[in-house]
Amino acid sequence: SQQGEEDPQALSIQEGENATMNCSYKTSINNLQWYRQNSGRGLVHLILIRSNEREKHSGRLRVTLDTSKKSSSLLITASRAADTASYFCATDTSGTYKYIFGTGTRLKVLA
Amino acid sequence: DAGVIQSPRHEVTEMGQEVTLRCKPISGHDYLFWYRQTMMRGLELLIYFNNNVPIDDSGMPEDRFSAKMPNASFSTLKIQPSEPRDSAVYFCASSGDTQYFGPGTRLTVL
Repeated sequence: SQQGEEDPQALSIQEGENATMNCSYKTSINNLQWYRQNSGRGLVHLILIRSNEREKHSGRLRVTLDTSKKSSSLLITASRAADTASYFCATDTSGTYKYIFGTGTRLKVLA
Repeated sequence: DAGVIQSPRHEVTEMGQEVTLRCKPISGHDYLFWYRQTMMRGLELLIYFNNNVPIDDSGMPEDRFSAKMPNASFSTLKIQPSEPRDSAVYFCASSGDTQYFGPGTRLTVL
Protein backbone atom coordinates (compact mmCIF):
# COMPACT_ATOMS: atom_id res chain seq x y z
CA SER A 1 0.00 0.00 0.00
CA GLN A 2 1.08 3.59 -0.53
CA GLN A 3 2.98 5.21 2.32
CA GLY A 4 2.33 8.73 1.10
CA GLU A 5 -0.83 10.12 -0.36
CA GLU A 6 -0.93 13.57 -1.86
CA ASP A 7 -3.98 15.76 -1.73
CA PRO A 8 -5.47 17.08 -3.91
CA GLN A 9 -4.85 14.77 -6.84
CA ALA A 10 -5.16 17.70 -9.22
CA LEU A 11 -5.05 21.45 -8.73
CA SER A 12 -5.63 24.24 -11.21
CA ILE A 13 -4.82 27.86 -10.30
CA GLN A 14 -4.14 31.19 -11.93
CA GLU A 15 -0.63 32.53 -12.30
CA GLY A 16 0.35 34.57 -9.28
CA GLU A 17 -1.78 32.58 -6.86
CA ASN A 18 -0.37 30.32 -4.19
CA ALA A 19 -0.58 26.54 -4.50
CA THR A 20 -0.73 24.23 -1.51
CA MET A 21 -0.31 20.49 -1.73
CA ASN A 22 -0.55 18.07 1.15
CA CYS A 23 1.03 14.72 1.85
CA SER A 24 -0.17 12.29 4.48
CA TYR A 25 1.71 9.17 5.46
CA LYS A 26 1.03 6.17 7.65
CA THR A 27 4.14 5.28 9.63
CA SER A 28 6.80 7.33 11.39
CA ILE A 29 9.46 8.75 9.16
CA ASN A 30 13.08 9.79 9.27
CA ASN A 31 12.99 12.13 6.30
CA LEU A 32 10.48 13.42 3.80
CA GLN A 33 11.28 14.84 0.41
CA TRP A 34 9.29 16.70 -2.22
CA TYR A 35 9.92 16.25 -5.91
CA ARG A 36 8.63 17.85 -9.10
CA GLN A 37 8.13 16.00 -12.37
CA ASN A 38 7.44 17.78 -15.60
CA SER A 39 5.54 15.79 -18.18
CA GLY A 40 7.77 13.22 -19.81
CA ARG A 41 10.76 14.10 -17.65
CA GLY A 42 12.58 12.77 -14.62
CA LEU A 43 11.96 13.79 -11.05
CA VAL A 44 13.66 16.88 -9.70
CA HIS A 45 14.42 17.13 -6.01
CA LEU A 46 12.92 20.20 -4.33
CA ILE A 47 13.32 19.99 -0.57
CA LEU A 48 14.30 17.45 2.08
CA ILE A 49 12.85 17.89 5.56
CA ARG A 50 13.95 15.76 8.49
CA SER A 51 11.66 14.40 11.17
CA ASN A 52 13.01 16.86 13.74
CA GLU A 53 12.35 19.87 11.51
CA ARG A 54 9.05 21.67 11.22
CA GLU A 55 9.54 24.05 8.33
CA LYS A 56 11.95 24.66 5.46
CA HIS A 57 12.12 27.26 2.75
CA SER A 58 13.71 27.32 -0.66
CA GLY A 59 12.96 30.32 -2.85
CA ARG A 60 9.21 30.35 -3.47
CA LEU A 61 8.80 26.95 -1.83
CA ARG A 62 7.82 26.36 1.77
CA VAL A 63 7.52 22.90 3.26
CA THR A 64 6.04 22.12 6.64
CA LEU A 65 6.06 18.86 8.55
CA ASP A 66 3.70 17.85 11.33
CA THR A 67 4.83 14.49 12.66
CA SER A 68 1.95 14.32 15.14
CA LYS A 69 -0.49 14.40 12.24
CA LYS A 70 1.80 12.45 9.92
CA SER A 71 1.47 15.08 7.27
CA SER A 72 3.49 17.54 5.25
CA SER A 73 2.55 20.41 3.00
CA LEU A 74 4.25 22.09 0.08
CA LEU A 75 3.39 25.71 -0.60
CA ILE A 76 4.41 27.39 -3.84
CA THR A 77 3.97 31.15 -3.62
CA ALA A 78 3.35 33.46 -6.56
CA SER A 79 2.98 30.55 -8.94
CA ARG A 80 4.12 30.70 -12.54
CA ALA A 81 3.09 28.79 -15.63
CA ALA A 82 6.46 27.02 -15.44
CA ASP A 83 5.42 25.49 -12.10
CA THR A 84 2.95 23.30 -13.99
CA ALA A 85 4.04 19.77 -13.13
CA SER A 86 3.29 16.82 -10.88
CA TYR A 87 4.53 17.05 -7.32
CA PHE A 88 5.39 14.02 -5.23
CA CYS A 89 6.25 13.47 -1.61
CA ALA A 90 8.55 10.61 -0.66
CA THR A 91 9.12 9.22 2.80
CA ASP A 92 11.99 7.32 4.36
CA THR A 93 10.77 5.30 7.31
CA SER A 94 13.83 3.26 8.10
CA GLY A 95 16.74 5.63 7.74
CA THR A 96 18.04 3.52 4.89
CA TYR A 97 17.23 6.06 2.16
CA LYS A 98 14.55 3.70 0.85
CA TYR A 99 12.02 6.34 -0.16
CA ILE A 100 8.43 5.42 -0.90
CA PHE A 101 6.65 7.82 -3.24
CA GLY A 102 3.11 9.04 -3.02
CA THR A 103 0.64 9.24 -5.84
CA GLY A 104 1.38 12.86 -6.71
CA THR A 105 -0.54 16.10 -7.20
CA ARG A 106 -0.92 17.39 -10.75
CA LEU A 107 -0.62 21.15 -10.64
CA LYS A 108 -1.68 23.31 -13.55
CA VAL A 109 -0.90 27.02 -13.46
CA LEU A 110 -2.88 29.02 -15.97
CA ALA A 111 -1.26 32.06 -17.54
CA ASP B 1 28.88 16.49 -11.97
CA ALA B 2 26.73 15.35 -14.89
CA GLY B 3 24.08 13.90 -12.64
CA VAL B 4 22.66 10.42 -12.95
CA ILE B 5 23.07 9.11 -16.47
CA GLN B 6 20.77 6.55 -18.00
CA SER B 7 20.87 4.81 -21.35
CA PRO B 8 19.18 4.30 -23.62
CA ARG B 9 16.62 7.10 -23.29
CA HIS B 10 14.12 5.21 -25.41
CA GLU B 11 13.87 1.53 -26.16
CA VAL B 12 11.36 -0.19 -28.38
CA THR B 13 11.53 -3.94 -28.52
CA GLU B 14 9.40 -6.94 -29.30
CA MET B 15 7.93 -9.30 -26.79
CA GLY B 16 10.36 -12.02 -25.81
CA GLN B 17 13.48 -9.96 -26.41
CA GLU B 18 16.03 -9.20 -23.73
CA VAL B 19 16.25 -5.59 -22.60
CA THR B 20 19.15 -4.07 -20.69
CA LEU B 21 18.91 -0.65 -19.10
CA ARG B 22 22.00 1.11 -17.85
CA CYS B 23 22.73 3.62 -15.15
CA LYS B 24 25.72 5.62 -14.02
CA PRO B 25 25.15 7.13 -10.59
CA ILE B 26 26.57 10.35 -9.24
CA SER B 27 30.11 9.84 -8.06
CA GLY B 28 30.36 9.38 -4.32
CA HIS B 29 26.78 8.29 -3.79
CA ASP B 30 26.52 5.06 -1.83
CA TYR B 31 22.94 4.21 -2.75
CA LEU B 32 21.45 3.35 -6.12
CA PHE B 33 17.77 2.80 -6.82
CA TRP B 34 15.76 1.47 -9.74
CA TYR B 35 12.15 2.61 -10.12
CA ARG B 36 9.41 1.96 -12.61
CA GLN B 37 6.69 4.48 -13.39
CA THR B 38 3.37 3.74 -15.06
CA MET B 39 0.08 5.58 -15.17
CA MET B 40 -1.66 2.72 -13.40
CA ARG B 41 0.78 2.09 -10.56
CA GLY B 42 2.68 5.33 -10.23
CA LEU B 43 6.31 5.24 -9.15
CA GLU B 44 7.39 1.85 -7.81
CA LEU B 45 10.71 1.01 -6.21
CA LEU B 46 12.08 -2.14 -7.80
CA ILE B 47 15.43 -2.63 -6.09
CA TYR B 48 18.14 -0.66 -4.36
CA PHE B 49 21.81 -1.12 -3.66
CA ASN B 50 24.11 0.14 -0.95
CA ASN B 51 27.83 0.09 -1.73
CA ASN B 52 27.11 -2.11 -4.75
CA VAL B 53 25.26 -4.72 -2.68
CA PRO B 54 21.53 -5.34 -3.31
CA ILE B 55 19.68 -4.48 -0.12
CA ASP B 56 16.04 -4.86 -1.00
CA ASP B 57 14.69 -6.41 -4.19
CA SER B 58 11.18 -6.97 -2.91
CA GLY B 59 9.81 -4.66 -5.57
CA MET B 60 11.15 -6.67 -8.49
CA PRO B 61 7.96 -7.96 -10.12
CA GLU B 62 9.16 -11.31 -11.42
CA ASP B 63 12.18 -13.48 -12.01
CA ARG B 64 12.32 -12.02 -15.50
CA PHE B 65 13.78 -8.90 -13.87
CA SER B 66 17.33 -8.80 -12.59
CA ALA B 67 19.68 -6.03 -11.55
CA LYS B 68 23.39 -5.85 -11.00
CA MET B 69 25.87 -3.33 -9.76
CA PRO B 70 29.35 -4.62 -10.60
CA ASN B 71 31.04 -1.43 -9.38
CA ALA B 72 30.25 1.93 -7.83
CA SER B 73 29.81 3.66 -11.16
CA PHE B 74 27.58 1.30 -13.09
CA SER B 75 24.35 -0.64 -12.73
CA THR B 76 22.11 -2.57 -15.08
CA LEU B 77 18.49 -3.62 -14.99
CA LYS B 78 17.71 -6.53 -17.26
CA ILE B 79 14.37 -7.91 -18.38
CA GLN B 80 14.44 -11.31 -20.03
CA PRO B 81 12.13 -12.13 -21.68
CA SER B 82 10.30 -8.84 -22.01
CA GLU B 83 6.50 -8.59 -22.14
CA PRO B 84 4.16 -5.78 -23.22
CA ARG B 85 3.15 -5.14 -19.61
CA ASP B 86 6.75 -4.19 -18.88
CA SER B 87 6.24 -1.03 -20.92
CA ALA B 88 6.97 1.87 -18.59
CA VAL B 89 9.49 4.55 -17.79
CA TYR B 90 12.37 3.16 -15.75
CA PHE B 91 14.28 5.55 -13.54
CA CYS B 92 17.59 5.16 -11.83
CA ALA B 93 18.39 7.34 -8.84
CA SER B 94 21.40 7.67 -6.59
CA SER B 95 21.71 9.24 -3.20
CA GLY B 96 23.53 10.17 -0.18
CA ASP B 97 20.94 12.07 1.81
CA THR B 98 18.98 13.27 -1.17
CA GLN B 99 17.91 11.16 -4.10
CA TYR B 100 18.77 12.44 -7.55
CA PHE B 101 17.00 10.92 -10.48
CA GLY B 102 18.20 10.20 -13.96
CA PRO B 103 16.13 11.23 -16.99
CA GLY B 104 14.62 7.77 -17.33
CA THR B 105 14.38 5.14 -20.04
CA ARG B 106 11.05 4.90 -21.81
CA LEU B 107 10.56 1.22 -22.63
CA THR B 108 7.97 0.04 -25.09
CA VAL B 109 7.49 -3.68 -25.57
CA LEU B 110 5.40 -4.53 -28.62
